[in-house]
Amino acid sequence: QQQVRQSPQSLTVWEGETAILNCSYENSAFDYFPWYQQFPGEGPALLIAIRSVSDKKEDGRFTIFFNKREKKLSLHITDSQPGDSATYFCAARNTGYQNFYFGKGTSLTVIP
Amino acid sequence: NSKVIQTPRYLVKGQGQKAKMRCIPEKGHPVVFWYQQNKNNEFKFLINFQNQEVLQQIDMTEKRFSAECPSNSPCSLEIQSSEAGDSALYLCASRGLGSQNTLYFGAGTRLSVL
Repeated sequence: QQQVRQSPQSLTVWEGETAILNCSYENSAFDYFPWYQQFPGEGPALLIAIRSVSDKKEDGRFTIFFNKREKKLSLHITDSQPGDSATYFCAARNTGYQNFYFGKGTSLTVIP
Repeated sequence: NSKVIQTPRYLVKGQGQKAKMRCIPEKGHPVVFWYQQNKNNEFKFLINFQNQEVLQQIDMTEKRFSAECPSNSPCSLEIQSSEAGDSALYLCASRGLGSQNTLYFGAGTRLSVL
């Protein structure tokens, strides 16, 4: 059973637009949600993370919106840049356990 | 920038051969994970350690896969008899203790089994 789901699988936006990447999860005990950015040939890099006690986390052009009741979250990338073109992974963890669960990623392409 | 160091970056083996990869976790991080990322971007958890002790591992790891994190030496993941289906990106990640400590990944070892 896929614990973390992401949509869309791929997304194309124009430079300057806002990209919205969606994530949902199954386990209501998950309480920590990092997002990772991965470029081809590299390992995933932590982008931004949120705890379930918050409904919003902002870091520059990246914002996570979190809806605990619906078990959904989204990553908004404002003023998208071609350098943001990468695959983005949503992950989730229950603090009482060590393991992180990952979605299958959203491939973002930003067209200049 | 992540300070998790993985070697080698690329590894090519024939079926049945042994494949070994290494990881130096970020300094001060006692928890180390190994994940397998396949061509469909799916992350498969393999094993994790806290200091030198295994915390969790999947059944697959107990058969052809072995891993260790000795003190004062790099962690390692070894596949005893490589199969074509093992071709993937193997990612090592480390984290500190505490509820808000997240994973920091290395660049990975790309294994190709011919």
